Amino acid sequence: EVQLVESGGGLVQPGRSLRLSCAASGFTFDDYAMHWVRQAPGKGLEWVSGISWNSGSIGYADSVKGRFTISRDNAKNSLYLQMNSLRAEDTALYYCAKAHDAFDIWGQGTMVTVSS
Amino acid sequence: QSALTQPASVSGSPGQSITISCTGTSSDVGGYNYVSWYQQHPGKAPKLMIYDVSKRPSGVSNRFSGSKSGNTASLTISGLQAEDEADYYCSSYTSSSTFRAVFGGGTKLTVL
Repeated sequence: EVQLVESGGGLVQPGRSLRLSCAASGFTFDDYAMHWVRQAPGKGLEWVSGISWNSGSIGYADSVKGRFTISRDNAKNSLYLQMNSLRAEDTALYYCAKAHDAFDIWGQGTMVTVSS
Repeated sequence: QSALTQPASVSGSPGQSITISCTGTSSDVGGYNYVSWYQQHPGKAPKLMIYDVSKRPSGVSNRFSGSKSGNTASLTISGLQAEDEADYYCSSYTSSSTFRAVFGGGTKLTVL
């Protein structure tokens, strides 16, 4: 079964850091680009960041550029998102998604709450 | 990276057809054929319904169809059913020189 499982979310104070992880199974992880997409409570989807199969190409939304870093470990079938200098507006459910011209497989998400 | 423009809500009766529009620019929707549509029920993860403008993933009903003209993409759902009631999001994706994607604001579909 193709599956993505996110972890690492939680409550964090503004200005602090958090690292999200996404464990992939059921497909050849290093064949595909991977992305992070977030959804603030009651709001729509927002693309956060994406990384190619070999980490050679990476992109970020303007809202997180310079604060977030995406990475992957193909040997561990895992995707990561290092989030620094967190702000209240980063509060959201963070999904990882497998991509092949579209986001065809999604995890269930991990909630990040930034609050003092 | 402005969001794509979708109507906030649409509605239809069972059996009817509805169309949801998604307007972008020549830098996203109009410039690439990587337009996709997602269905999201409350409390659930999004589900891919249409990719590459008009292709359906395996398992998605043929009542769902997609098209594009210029900078506007459209999702049509025919033969509306109660279970189609959900939020729908369009997205434009590119991996040409760097990864970039943008979503629409979402459309709430109500089946009357």
